[in-house]
Amino acid sequence: GQNIDQPTEMTATEGAIVQINCTYQTSGFNGLFWYQQHAGEAPTFLSYNVLDGLEEKGRFSSFLSRSKGYSYLLLKELQMKDSASYLCAVNTGTALIFGKGTTLSVSS
Amino acid sequence: DAGVIQSPRHEVTEMGQEVTLRCKPISGHNSLFWYRQTMMRGLELLIYFNNNVPIDDSGMPEDRFSAKMPNASFSTLKIQPSEPRDSAVYFCASRVTGTGRSGANVLTFGAGSRLTVL
Repeated sequence: GQNIDQPTEMTATEGAIVQINCTYQTSGFNGLFWYQQHAGEAPTFLSYNVLDGLEEKGRFSSFLSRSKGYSYLLLKELQMKDSASYLCAVNTGTALIFGKGTTLSVSS
Repeated sequence: DAGVIQSPRHEVTEMGQEVTLRCKPISGHNSLFWYRQTMMRGLELLIYFNNNVPIDDSGMPEDRFSAKMPNASFSTLKIQPSEPRDSAVYFCASRVTGTGRSGANVLTFGAGSRLTVL
């Protein structure tokens, strides 16, 4: 079966750094994605890891360890607009399977 | 590019009625996915197509759900008869299927169709 776990909720303050973890057990693996979804909107692509290591893109970074079935999304210099749900998704080679998402609330 | 286009954006219907959701993928994308999102279950994959051919429909809840992709630019998801538990946001998404570190495999979502079955 397919299993993708991430925390349900997290809170942080403006300017802080937050790390959202994701663990996965899937029948196949061809890359891991992070998507951001604001309330009432569609998910939008944030980052993609297919090899082990860290991918940095501005304030956002994503890390992957394939041997551990583990990834994290790191958000730096948090802003109020970063309040959203963050979805971890595994490309099994045929389909993209999503975790249930982590709702991040950023307060001032 | 206009992105993935879904219609209707909102639908309110009564139990037992037929519902048809429509999707136009991004031109040139060869894979199309239908997802359903609820608070309880998150984003669930219902069915996906590769080059207009259904590849895996194991996520379709039951026989009341059906999906078609008659050509590369159009797909429908039909629920007949609809039930209150079908209330959810239904997303269509498309991508270019490929491997490696290229931009392929990035799934682009439509704005979603919010379905309420009374």
